[in-house]
Amino acid sequence: DSGVTQTPKHLITATGQRVTLRCSPRSGDLSVYWYQQSLDQGLQFLIQYYNGEERAKGNILERFSAQQFPDLHSELNLSSLELGDSALYFCASSRLAGGGLYEQYFGPGTRLTVT
Amino acid sequence: KNEVEQSPQNLTAQEGEFITINCSYSVGISALHWLQQHPGGGIVSLFMLSSGKKKHGRLIATINIQEKHSSLHITASHPRDSAVYICAVRLKGSQGNLIFGKGTKLSVKP
Repeated sequence: DSGVTQTPKHLITATGQRVTLRCSPRSGDLSVYWYQQSLDQGLQFLIQYYNGEERAKGNILERFSAQQFPDLHSELNLSSLELGDSALYFCASSRLAGGGLYEQYFGPGTRLTVT
Repeated sequence: KNEVEQSPQNLTAQEGEFITINCSYSVGISALHWLQQHPGGGIVSLFMLSSGKKKHGRLIATINIQEKHSSLHITASHPRDSAVYICAVRLKGSQGNLIFGKGTKLSVKP
């Protein structure tokens, strides 16, 4: 158990709908990362938040948005869903490890199926 | 060309065999991660390296910064090692987000 929690575990929804995925980082971790894993693209970085502020953006579509709340949990909002958005969505949190490096801890993921 | 390349894509081994998975990258990095993903989907971080070699049980990870190459070795492989192994790098100067290889699917037969 990494200490990172994600809800829901599974989500099935229809095209055009909007969903919210939730992530709670490990206690004390200020950084949250969102990743998407699809069959054709593999794992891709979407967005990072640090202590409530957006820090870095990757291949995140304009239909997707995220935020990190004062209690440090994060939500990823996916709207106008398309079949191609079906994927595993992982959240990870990080903390400073030895040597100035940041270790990342992954949540169990949310499997999104768009029908 | 992907910034992170792994080989082989698929690997089948007999229980007890020594296994090597390779990762090459084409960018400047501050750290390299080896991750393990089991069929259930969950991802576990095995190693984080910036230089040299690390060992944990039967797993050994090495990195050669000059050659931009890392290897993950599994000694005395076991069927429970069957999983997808993913190499990921953190770009130098980045905020910590990772760039991933496509993964190596390992199957260890009893």
